Amino acid sequence: DSGVTQTPKHLITATGQRVTLRCSPRSGDLSVYWYQQSLDQGLQFLIQYYNGEERAKGNILERFSAQQFPDLHSELNLSSLELGDSALYFCASSVGWGIGDEQFFGPGTRLTVL
Amino acid sequence: SQQGEEDPQALSIQEGENATMNCSYKTSINNLQWYRQNSGRGLVHLILIRSNEREKHSGRLRVTLDTSKKSSSLLITASRAADTASYFCATDAQGNKLTFGGGTRVLVKP
Repeated sequence: DSGVTQTPKHLITATGQRVTLRCSPRSGDLSVYWYQQSLDQGLQFLIQYYNGEERAKGNILERFSAQQFPDLHSELNLSSLELGDSALYFCASSVGWGIGDEQFFGPGTRLTVL
Repeated sequence: SQQGEEDPQALSIQEGENATMNCSYKTSINNLQWYRQNSGRGLVHLILIRSNEREKHSGRLRVTLDTSKKSSSLLITASRAADTASYFCATDAQGNKLTFGGGTRVLVKP
């Protein structure tokens, strides 16, 4: 158990809908990262927050947004969902934001868009 | 294309044998990490090796890094059925954004 929690574990929804994925980092970790894992794209970095502020951005679609709250939990919002958004979404956390920090991954949320 | 590319894509071995997989990357890195993922589950951090290190050990794991060749290898010695998983290398060429390779699927047969 990494100490990172994600809810829900599974999510099934329809195209055009909007969903929110939630992540609680390990106690003491200030950074939260979001990753998407799909069969065709593999594991891709989406976005990072550090202590409430956006720190780095990756291949995140404009339909997706995220935020980190004062209690350091984070939410990833996916809107206008398409079939291709079906994937495993992972959250990871680390103590700092710097290079070389070990990232601890949560169990993931499996999103299925029908 | 991805920063890290694992080779082979899949590996099947008998319990007790060693498993070796390689990772190549394109640009300079500060460190390289290896992760394990059991089928459809979260990633488990295995080991981090910094760019100024050449070899690192953790239990039955041995990681090497050759920055001149931009490659790393992960060796699992005396493999067990529980080692069956996908193994990914991840690099930090883009700062603290990890870039993952496509992974090596390892099957350890009892």
